[in-house]
Amino acid sequence: SQTIHQWPATLVQPVGSPLSLECTVEGTSNPNLYWYRQAAGRGLQLLFYSVGIGQISSEVPQNLSASRPQDRQFILSSKKLLLSDSGFYLCAWSVGGTDTQYFGPGTRLTVL
Amino acid sequence: GENVEQHPSTLSVQEGDSAVIKCTYSDSASNYFPWYKQELGKGPQLIIDIRSNVGEKKDQRIAVTLNKTAKHFSLHITETQPEDSAVYFCAAGTRNQFYFGTGTSLTVIP
Repeated sequence: SQTIHQWPATLVQPVGSPLSLECTVEGTSNPNLYWYRQAAGRGLQLLFYSVGIGQISSEVPQNLSASRPQDRQFILSSKKLLLSDSGFYLCAWSVGGTDTQYFGPGTRLTVL
Repeated sequence: GENVEQHPSTLSVQEGDSAVIKCTYSDSASNYFPWYKQELGKGPQLIIDIRSNVGEKKDQRIAVTLNKTAKHFSLHITETQPEDSAVYFCAAGTRNQFYFGTGTSLTVIP
């Protein structure tokens, strides 16, 4: 069966510091991968998605970036965090060519 | 782009009663409509989905209906139980691009 991991689970970072969140998927090959952000009391906002290694599509302009160095690894980064970057970051995957997305457990990021 | 509106934002029901959550969407190109359940501090879990070529889908106590003409879809939970208490999100879109509603906090009162 497929599983998706995210780490860290929680993170507190000062404004202006860098960020690296990691997501990995097990039990499947060539998945589509997604990064979402969920602000408190809000819905999910798609940030990036990837259909293959090195292929990244950005949905929302911001100071975040994403990379996919391996087939089942997706990384969300920032060079300098802003207060507005605080939120719950969710990684998701889907079988390539299909609709259904499955979410990971999320990372709670607090920028102080 | 797509705009998804979800109502109500909060819903309280007595255990055993039914709960209905409604969503509307704006983009007629959307063809996939999933519903997710999110418990506090966890990632959303898919509970049911429907595609635009189907008007209704049921899975035990959960059902979803879709009206493509009116661009709205609804989640129906029957015989609610305390463990159904959570935040529910609808979404609409096409492959790789979903747009989520703002969520409904459902409380089932024992």
